[in-house]
Amino acid sequence: DGGITQSPKYLFRKEGQNVTLSCEQNLNHDAMYWYRQDPGQGLRLIYYSQIVNDFQKGDIAEGYSVSREKKESFPLTVTSAQKNPTAFYLCASSRDRAGTGELFFGEGSRLTVL
Amino acid sequence: GEDVEQSLFLSVREGDSSVINCTYTDSSSTYLYWYKQEPGAGLQLLTYIFSNMDMKQDQRLTVLLNKKDKHLSLRIADTQTGDSAIYFCAVLGPGGYNKLIFGAGTRLAVHP
Repeated sequence: DGGITQSPKYLFRKEGQNVTLSCEQNLNHDAMYWYRQDPGQGLRLIYYSQIVNDFQKGDIAEGYSVSREKKESFPLTVTSAQKNPTAFYLCASSRDRAGTGELFFGEGSRLTVL
Repeated sequence: GEDVEQSLFLSVREGDSSVINCTYTDSSSTYLYWYKQEPGAGLQLLTYIFSNMDMKQDQRLTVLLNKKDKHLSLRIADTQTGDSAIYFCAVLGPGGYNKLIFGAGTRLAVHP
């Protein structure tokens, strides 16, 4: 079945460590996105990529990095520079690069910094 | 910038209708959405409405859009325990790509 796979589902990290969250899709979608979800807040866009080898910062990119070397993969690295990294991270993709807003989401990765 | 607001909690009895409300600030939004998130999972698109529509019905779901008041609502008829989830209102932001602006989500609790 087609879909988006995020791993790991749960991750614990010590302060000062970088960690990479995986996102893979087999939907043949061009565009991929990373969102952060905090309790009582809406989803906030971290990075997005409309095409391979290209990505743009979203609203809260500081302390994060991404790459898009393959169409199906869009990993997110949470660096030690991210001041408050404990959150639920959601990866999404869309078949259109622009305008319809139908995003397909993965199951999420919950990162806890100890 | 664009802002989307929702109340955080709603509790209803099984079999009743649920109405989840949302207000937004950008009147130029062309698409408005309702996404559903079940516990520990990602979001699923429930339904959406174009800005030139007032209402859209899809089985138990009715979406109402009041553009003048910038108010969007989702009505779920005959609410079931399986409808318990967080419901996110979202609007398509500017910029020519799928930048969605999400509300904080309304947690719907359905009790017997």
